[in-house]
Amino acid sequence: EVHLVESGGDLVQPGGSLRLSCAASGFTFSNYGMHWVRQAPGKGLEYVSTISSTGGSTYYANSVKGRFTISRDNSNNMLYLQMGSLRTEDMAVYYCARDCSSAICYTDYWGQGTLVTVSS
Amino acid sequence: QPVLTQSSSASVSLGSSVKLTCTLSSGHRSYIIAWHQQQPGKAPRYLMKLEDSGNYNKGSGVPDRFSGSSSGADRYLTISNLQFEDEADYYCETWDTNNRVFGGGTKLTVL
Repeated sequence: EVHLVESGGDLVQPGGSLRLSCAASGFTFSNYGMHWVRQAPGKGLEYVSTISSTGGSTYYANSVKGRFTISRDNSNNMLYLQMGSLRTEDMAVYYCARDCSSAICYTDYWGQGTLVTVSS
Repeated sequence: QPVLTQSSSASVSLGSSVKLTCTLSSGHRSYIIAWHQQQPGKAPRYLMKLEDSGNYNKGSGVPDRFSGSSSGADRYLTISNLQFEDEADYYCETWDTNNRVFGGGTKLTVL
């Protein structure tokens, strides 16, 4: 069974940094692209970032480009999101999600999410 | 970049059927989409992949009451014999090389 467990969410001040982690299990992690998707309180889903199965390609939403970095450790089945220069509008539940393949297609599994609060 | 448009809400009676719509922007009518369900207080759940031909593939454990269809730029999610547990937000998703987009979501209320 596919399992994605996020961690690292916390209260951080504007301008601060945070690293989110996602532990994957139940599938061959190195065969799949992975995404981060966020949801602000009471709002819809918003795409954040994608990394290819090998880590060789990364993509970002314009709203986080230059501030966030996605990475992965295929040896340990881990996905990361390094977040910097945080703004109040970055406050959201962040979901780790699996792509349906090694290339880019739809999201077929979601984690339970981790809450990032940005406030002074 | 594709844009997905969804109605904001729908209210339907228990036991009846509902057809939710996700509309692709001009120039993107052939795109495949995915439907996701988010029950209150829970993470999203993948429901199905839906092609422009109307072919769809459901995720593991998705009830037979859920089906998909397509017409032009419109992608539909039909839920029959509505249950209280179907009360949720429903999102469509699509992607291209450098982007992934979600529709604004439809809030489904079961009366």
